Amino acid sequence: QVQLQESGPGLVKPSETLSLTCTVSGGSINSSDFYWGWIRQPPGKGLEWIGYIHYSGSAYYNPSLKSRVTISVDTSKSQFSLNLSSVTAADTAVYYCARDFGTSRMDHWGQGTLVTVSS
Amino acid sequence: EIVLTQSPATLSLSPGERATLSCRASQSVSSYLVWYQQKPGQAPRLLIYDASTRATGIPARFRGSGSGTDFTLTISSLEPEDFAVYYCQQRSTWPITFGQGTRLEIK
Repeated sequence: QVQLQESGPGLVKPSETLSLTCTVSGGSINSSDFYWGWIRQPPGKGLEWIGYIHYSGSAYYNPSLKSRVTISVDTSKSQFSLNLSSVTAADTAVYYCARDFGTSRMDHWGQGTLVTVSS
Repeated sequence: EIVLTQSPATLSLSPGERATLSCRASQSVSSYLVWYQQKPGQAPRLLIYDASTRATGIPARFRGSGSGTDFTLTISSLEPEDFAVYYCQQRSTWPITFGQGTRLEIK
């Protein structure tokens, strides 16, 4: 059974860069069938797609965040990562990583990690 | 960007009743529509993809229907564990977008 686990700082200062890593276990990150994505959810609000990446390195981002987002993949470690620069309080959210199956659905999710932007 | 509008925002029903949740897209998404269930403190859970295909392990009481711009998630007879927030998601066009959610609460 595929499992995903987010890791990274729970507190980031305004204007700094938020960095999270998702570790994939129980399945291969190298499959051509999957993309590996990030989604966030501000407290008490809905879901926002941030972007996803294929193991080959092809990445797609939400235009609303594109200027600040980079998603990368490290197949040797079965990990993919999110960098979000110049954060503000509006970036405070639970950040989820997920497996995207054939670009048709997100079928496995991490448990989520709360990142708070505050000085 | 395709906007998904879910209705109602909140649905209050009793166990055993039938729930009907709606998701309307601002333009056609064909059948590229997904439904997720989210319980408090948990990650979303995949229920339905391609508008009507149940994900692995999802009970038959969950049924998705629709195409184009109008979609419905029907729960035929509510179980206590079904009370949660439900989100639709479109996969037709980048960026992937979600609806704002329907909260299904116990009456």
